[in-house]
Amino acid sequence: GAVVSQHPSRVICKSGTSVKIECRSLDFQATTMFWYRQFPKQSLMLMATSNEGSKATYEQGVEKDKFLINHASLTLSTLTVTSAHPEDSSFYICSARDRGLNNEKLFFGSGTQLSVL
Amino acid sequence: LAKTTQPISMDSYEGQEVNITCSHNNIATNDYITWYQQFPSQGPRFIIQGYKTKVTNEVASLFIPADRKSSTLSLPRVSLSDTAVYYCLVGSTFGNTPLVFGKGTRLSVIA
Repeated sequence: GAVVSQHPSRVICKSGTSVKIECRSLDFQATTMFWYRQFPKQSLMLMATSNEGSKATYEQGVEKDKFLINHASLTLSTLTVTSAHPEDSSFYICSARDRGLNNEKLFFGSGTQLSVL
Repeated sequence: LAKTTQPISMDSYEGQEVNITCSHNNIATNDYITWYQQFPSQGPRFIIQGYKTKVTNEVASLFIPADRKSSTLSLPRVSLSDTAVYYCLVGSTFGNTPLVFGKGTRLSVIA
């Protein structure tokens, strides 16, 4: 199946710093990517929809100025957590659709565990 | 977006067949049903996808009745490594429509 690569897999940072997470579709083009956040023992929560060449669409309650999304190419979307605080510590997961055949499957990256000290 | 309801958890012994049922009463005509498996600290892994009737691949089968208001993921002869959370998602597979996750089913396989 299609591969979505996400980096870094784990990052530890000090409070107040910014962290960038990359999401790449390795063998297909993705005009749309999705970013999710997952807290321990909970389900994935959709944060935003990343659209290539345009602004991201954020879910209600997600601060767009805190979680900056850039989708500059058909294979790369980045999520930057600005001025991170301990409450931003979470597992962040990106996903992208492989627009093959008649219906599209959603594939996920391996996730990024963010720990803010 | 169609809402899904699954059992919170299930237990099974190794070698048994496990069936996880998902309810999605307000599924739309264009919606597909997709199941994902997630291990701790990993992204969800695609298992199977279907629209109606039965779909089978090398790891699972998906049974969808005619009214499509529910679906059942069938895992044959589970092993300890199948211990994971299984999510049933319903939604359009085209364009920029995201898939919204429900709570999932935590499957524990016991030796």
